[in-house]
Amino acid sequence: QVTLKESGPVLVKPTETLTLTCTVSGFSLSDTTMGVTWIRQPPGKALEWLAHIFSNDEKSYTTSLERRLTISKDTSKSQVVLTMTNMDPVDTATYYCARTTYFDIFMDVWGKGTTVTVSS
Amino acid sequence: DIQMTQSPSSLSASVGDSVTITCRASQSITTYLHWYQQKPGKAPNLLISLASTLQSGVPSRFSGSGSGTDFTLSINSLQPEDFATYYCQQSYTTPLTFGGGTKVEIK
Repeated sequence: QVTLKESGPVLVKPTETLTLTCTVSGFSLSDTTMGVTWIRQPPGKALEWLAHIFSNDEKSYTTSLERRLTISKDTSKSQVVLTMTNMDPVDTATYYCARTTYFDIFMDVWGKGTTVTVSS
Repeated sequence: DIQMTQSPSSLSASVGDSVTITCRASQSITTYLHWYQQKPGKAPNLLISLASTLQSGVPSRFSGSGSGTDFTLSINSLQPEDFATYYCQQSYTTPLTFGGGTKVEIK
């Protein structure tokens, strides 16, 4: 059974750096046909694609946040980490990670999400 | 970046109705278009990949079609569990982008 679980702080202060971890099971981060994507959803708003990473370390970022985001993976720990610098209240959202197919790039299994609030 | 526009943003329908949701891309994405369903407080769930491929376990009342810039998600005979928000997503090129969502509400 494939599962993904997001973890990280519930509350961060403005200007701080957010670090989120996605721990996967049921598939390997060395699987050449799969990767992991981060998506977020502000309260009451639409989904926003943030970044993805694949087994060959291929990465991509959303244009508007590219300078603030870093995605990385630790295959031995089955973890994908997303860091976002200089957090702002507008970054308050539920953050999801999802398994992603390499060739067609859709998200076939999602984590339950973790809610992050940015407030002083 | 490719912009994805969904219409309508919301609709009201009754159990048993058939509904169609449209997703339009700002440029051709061939068939690199995927549909997700999201219920309140839950993570999205993949319904259809590559414009028309129904995922395992998804009821056959859901169907997708389209290519190029215009796509549709159809739901025949709406069931109570289908009231949710639906999103399209393109994967023709990075950065990937989602549509703004269509909320299907009970009339």
